[in-house]
Amino acid sequence: QKEVEQNSGPLSVPEGAIASLNCTYSDRGSQSFFWYRQYSGKSPELIMFIYSNGDKEDGRFTAQLNKASQYVSLLIRDSQPSDSATYLCAVYNQGGKLIFGQGTELSVKP
Amino acid sequence: DTEVTQTPKHLVMGMTNKKSLKCEQHMGHRAMYWYKQKAKKPPELMFVYSYEKLSINESVPSRFSPECPNSSLLNLHLHALQPEDSALYLCASSLGPGTLLNPEAFFGQGTRLTVV
Repeated sequence: QKEVEQNSGPLSVPEGAIASLNCTYSDRGSQSFFWYRQYSGKSPELIMFIYSNGDKEDGRFTAQLNKASQYVSLLIRDSQPSDSATYLCAVYNQGGKLIFGQGTELSVKP
Repeated sequence: DTEVTQTPKHLVMGMTNKKSLKCEQHMGHRAMYWYKQKAKKPPELMFVYSYEKLSINESVPSRFSPECPNSSLLNLHLHALQPEDSALYLCASSLGPGTLLNPEAFFGQGTRLTVV
């Protein structure tokens, strides 16, 4: 079992729709959770972090964390073509390592 | 300011060469990381420095040698690499190490390494 798992996609949504990205993790002691956006040929860019159960909103982005289910998600509202990228879920495990999921490729169609 | 600066942006080296990658941050971050990323794959952790000391080495081959001369600088020395080592090498830093407060990690732009 991989430490951090994501659906690889590609996920295709129309412009203006809500994109929903999901991630599960195996280390129950993990405390810190992150979403990075990576455009092709570029480095990962931190867009959201969440440490407590529940929802955290920042503009068009909402991160959701459920530690009991070991599940973290990212919602992107009013999706734009510029949101087309690979979204990486990352988790600090109890060993202090920041581990990435495989990434979900998102395509927003005009 | 969340800037992590990596140099060079691109590097082509032969299998007998010795080269170094450099990473710099002036955010007062005390944890610094090296990751390797192959195409269509996620970043893969190589090394973690915490308070200038090597805290994690993910069983990386000895042809990769990290160095942290001070709290702002991180180097990765390369020697006798193989073509399969060609990848994007990413440096990141965070205010605190993973299990402490403010562990958000910010990445540099990366060094695209090609071994010929």
